[in-house]
Amino acid sequence: DAGVIQSPRHEVTEMGQEVTLRCKPISGHNSLFWYRQTMMRGLELLIYFNNNVPIDDSGMPEDRFSAKMPNASFSTLKIQPSEPRDSAVYFCASSPTGKGSNQPQHFGDGTRLSIL
Amino acid sequence: AQSVTQLDSHVSVSEGTPVLLRCNYSSSYSPSLFWYVQHPNKGLQLLLKYTSAATLVKGINGFEAEFKKSETSFHLTKPSAHMSDAAEYFCVVSDPSGTYKYIFGTGTRLKVLA
Repeated sequence: DAGVIQSPRHEVTEMGQEVTLRCKPISGHNSLFWYRQTMMRGLELLIYFNNNVPIDDSGMPEDRFSAKMPNASFSTLKIQPSEPRDSAVYFCASSPTGKGSNQPQHFGDGTRLSIL
Repeated sequence: AQSVTQLDSHVSVSEGTPVLLRCNYSSSYSPSLFWYVQHPNKGLQLLLKYTSAATLVKGINGFEAEFKKSETSFHLTKPSAHMSDAAEYFCVVSDPSGTYKYIFGTGTRLKVLA
């Protein structure tokens, strides 16, 4: 079984550039999550989609961040313009149900983003 | 409100000795609880989950955890540590009443000494 697939695995870019992170959830999972992990703040939920619809984007830091899920098998997280403080590891996770949190989330291997 | 506390930020054990990683939770509901492991440059991998069935939960790679409601604890154990167990471990609580949010502990970094 293929797990959650994220690309790219590493991204290094200069501040001010647009960054797009990609995620393919596990087939059949209808919930998708984007997280950010830093040493200072740990794991933070950025946005949650259910059945391709954004349900909770309260964790998105500011308007520079946007996320889309055009279909059940693909999601993007975009940062425009990027800033050095956006440097972090970004994880995508999916789970099979929308309600009831006893279904575990399955994580991708993350994108390590460095903004110079 | 729910919360989770991992009592040790770092734990060191010798290879072949038992592992104990401690987790306490606070929840208004009967919680769902999870342990995840994160190896370097990898995502979080589910070790085990508790969802109000058996209080002793067996997971992958020889790990298990016991849910103790009276102590509000969900400690992770393994009888014999292996070098490959060196990683960061996260205890997670979620609300089974219908929300989706995970509350993560701050993590415990396990070091295994040869």
